[in-house]
Amino acid sequence: DVKVTQSSRYLVKRTGEKVFLECVQDMDHENMFWYRQDPGLGLRLIYFSYDVKMKEKGDIPEGYSVSREKKERFSLILESASTNQTSMYLCASRTDRDYEQYFGPGTRLTVT
Amino acid sequence: ELKVEQNPLFLSMQEGKNYTIYCNYSTTSDRLYWYRQDPGKSLESLFVLLSNGAVKQEGRLMASLDTKARLSTLHITAAVHDLSATYFCAVNRGGAQKLVFGQGTRLTINP
Repeated sequence: DVKVTQSSRYLVKRTGEKVFLECVQDMDHENMFWYRQDPGLGLRLIYFSYDVKMKEKGDIPEGYSVSREKKERFSLILESASTNQTSMYLCASRTDRDYEQYFGPGTRLTVT
Repeated sequence: ELKVEQNPLFLSMQEGKNYTIYCNYSTTSDRLYWYRQDPGKSLESLFVLLSNGAVKQEGRLMASLDTKARLSTLHITAAVHDLSATYFCAVNRGGAQKLVFGQGTRLTINP
């Protein structure tokens, strides 16, 4: 089974802190994605990566950056957390040979 | 810009009844996904529809795709309580499988 794990299920941070969300997949997938989920808005793509050290902006990249130094790991960075970044963050991965995106369990981030 | 709209956004129904969730999208796409999400959990893939006229069924759920109408439906037959969840459709945009999601339909099935 494909496994996508995220470093924390729940996280509480203060405004202005630097926040790291980690995602690891164990299936050698080329593509990895970060989404945020907000009620009534569905999931929105923040960033994605199609290879190590490669990244592309999604629909809402402002206030976020990403890092992919190893194929299995994709990190989302909030340089200076703000309250409007309180949300559920979901990581996903996909191989080039298949259509399926596999999602991690999510991290619920609260910024106070 | 690709937009994906689901309706209804909330649906409360009784066990044993049939109902349909609709997913409309605004520009051409060659792939449509349906996901299920239980409260506090991640997304579980239900169906991937790849071509016009595609129909897939799993248990009491059946999904279909009409690419000309830019419409997909998720039909629930003889609903049971275990199907209570939020259902999302998503459409791919671009070769790297960037997905655009609908708002989600929160389905509640009452005994």
